[in-house]
Amino acid sequence: QEQLVQSGAGVKKPGSSVKVSCKASGDTFNNYGISWVRQAPGQGLEWMGGIIPIFGATNSAEKFQGRVTITADASTTTVYLELSSLRSEDTAVYYCAREARQGARFDPWGQGILVTVSS
Amino acid sequence: DIQMTQSPSTLSSSIGDRVTITCRASQSISSSLAWYQQKPGKAPKLLIYEASNLESGVPSRISGSGSGTEFTLTITSLQPDDFATYYCQQYKSPPYTFGQGTNLEI
Repeated sequence: QEQLVQSGAGVKKPGSSVKVSCKASGDTFNNYGISWVRQAPGQGLEWMGGIIPIFGATNSAEKFQGRVTITADASTTTVYLELSSLRSEDTAVYYCAREARQGARFDPWGQGILVTVSS
Repeated sequence: DIQMTQSPSTLSSSIGDRVTITCRASQSISSSLAWYQQKPGKAPKLLIYEASNLESGVPSRISGSGSGTEFTLTITSLQPDDFATYYCQQYKSPPYTFGQGTNLEI
């Protein structure tokens, strides 16, 4: 069964950047899109953006444009999310999730990574 | 952006009950709707896609219906494992948006 394994993050200072990784299998990397969804403490789910790794094509929510960079490394079948100019409101658990081939429903999800923005 | 509105925000029920959660879209999304279950400290789990298709391994007491702008998630004969937070999500067009969640509690 496919698993997405995330790593990275921790505590970051306001104004800095964070990069979170999401390792996928070769099949997922070559045949599916991967999205990033975040969840602030006690809050709901928010889609940030996604990538089709094999093409490198990305899209992102307007709210994050200019601050978010989503990339993919074929040599390690890993997708990355980088968020810059961090502020306290970016404190959240960041999930990666595989998009279905037909329609961006998400399954499976990574385990999530907590990013805390604090001085 | 397409806004997704769930109701109720909180639902108190008992084992064996039948419950229904509603999700409304701000514009038609055809059947491009998914439902997820999330438990504390865990990633969401896909339950339903295309509004009414049950994901493999999800118990048949869970069902979804609707199209256009109004959708429902129904759970019959509630089990202890069903107490969680449920989210709807539209994938008709980006940005893919979620409802605010429904906390199903005992």
